[in-house]
Amino acid sequence: DVKVTQSSRYLVKRTGEKVFLECVQDMDHENMFWYRQDPGLGLRLIYFSYDVKMKEKGDIPEGYSVSREKKERFSLILESASTNQTSMYLCASSFGEGPNDPPPYEQYFGPGTRLTVT
Amino acid sequence: TQLLEQSPQFLSIQEGENLTVYCNSSSVFSSLQWYRQEPGEGPVLLVTVVTGGEVKKLKRLTFQFGDARKDSSLHITAAQPGDTGLYLCAGDMIKAAGNKLTFGGGTRVLVKP
Repeated sequence: DVKVTQSSRYLVKRTGEKVFLECVQDMDHENMFWYRQDPGLGLRLIYFSYDVKMKEKGDIPEGYSVSREKKERFSLILESASTNQTSMYLCASSFGEGPNDPPPYEQYFGPGTRLTVT
Repeated sequence: TQLLEQSPQFLSIQEGENLTVYCNSSSVFSSLQWYRQEPGEGPVLLVTVVTGGEVKKLKRLTFQFGDARKDSSLHITAAQPGDTGLYLCAGDMIKAAGNKLTFGGGTRVLVKP
């Protein structure tokens, strides 16, 4: 079974703090993704990566950065947390050799990190 | 505007009843996935449909991909409280770059005992 783990299930941070969210997958997947999920807004893609040290902006990258130093690990960084970044953060991974792979692009999700910024 | 529209947004039914969730788009998709998400958890992949007109069954769940690959439906027969959750459809658009998926807004299903 594919396993995607996230470093924390719940996190409470203060405004202005630097926040690191870690995601690890054990299926040797090339592609990894970070989403946030908010009521009424659905899943929104923040960043994704299709290889080590490669990253691409998603739909809402502002206020976030990412790091992928190893294939199995994808980190989301909030440089200076703000209250509007309070959300459920979901990491996912999928198999693929690169950005032009043929579908389907099935994604496997971690359990999520509920982040509250006060 | 969602590229994938799910309907209804919310569905509350009694145990034993049937339900259908729809996922519609004006775009053509190479494949479409259905996920179920329970409260406080990440989405779990249920099925992938690839061929237009394809029907897949997973116990009491039946998934259909439209002939034109623009829409899909999920039908649950004799729903049980364990079917409660947020159902998400997600598709990869034929002309989209990278390995990204487009997600629908979700249908929240509540099955009451």
